[in-house]
Amino acid sequence: EDKVVQSPLSLVVHEGDTVTLNCSYEVTNFRSLLWYKQEKKAPTFLFMLTSSGIEKKSGRLSSILDKKELSSILNITATQTGDSAIYLCAVELYSGGGADGLTFGKGTHLIIQP
Amino acid sequence: GAVVSQHPSWVICKSGTSVKIECRSLDFQATTMFWYRQFPKQSLMLMATSNEGSKATYEQGVEKDKFLINHASLTLSTLTVTSAHPEDSSFYICSARDFTGYSNQPQHFGDGTRLSIL
Repeated sequence: EDKVVQSPLSLVVHEGDTVTLNCSYEVTNFRSLLWYKQEKKAPTFLFMLTSSGIEKKSGRLSSILDKKELSSILNITATQTGDSAIYLCAVELYSGGGADGLTFGKGTHLIIQP
Repeated sequence: GAVVSQHPSWVICKSGTSVKIECRSLDFQATTMFWYRQFPKQSLMLMATSNEGSKATYEQGVEKDKFLINHASLTLSTLTVTSAHPEDSSFYICSARDFTGYSNQPQHFGDGTRLSIL
């Protein structure tokens, strides 16, 4: 059974701190790993990672994939209260027919205190 | 770009009612859309894959007669929860992916529909 595990499940830090969120996976036919941010409604896309060792960066957020270790991390530097959200890690698989739905982890609930 | 619109946002209805949820890709064509369900304090679980012009593919444990999916055009998929009961109360979210071109595109999500069955 395909599995995506995130840690920690919840994290409380102070504004300005740097956080690292973890995601590990056990799946067959790995295609890509995605990070999403979920606030009150649906998830918004952050990063898609397909190649190992290549960091993707967007402002204060960055992510990297390690295919050997079957894991990924999401870093947020100089955190702000607006970063408070649930961060979801998901894995997409190759399938014979083309697109597969995503397998999600349980998410990390990040709370940034002022 | 890559905007997915979902309607309605909230539905509250009586047990036994059928409820239809629409998912539209606004600025791209989506031959495949996906339907997920999220229970409180849990992650998103894939229910089914909706394919334009053909039958949907359902995940194990999801009743196809209960959750009817229609994907009649390249920009619209609908999920109908038939004869809904309180245990069907959940947050339903659709996603779509732009398959034009050769680059691998991420799935983009609609804003979700919160369904409450009384």
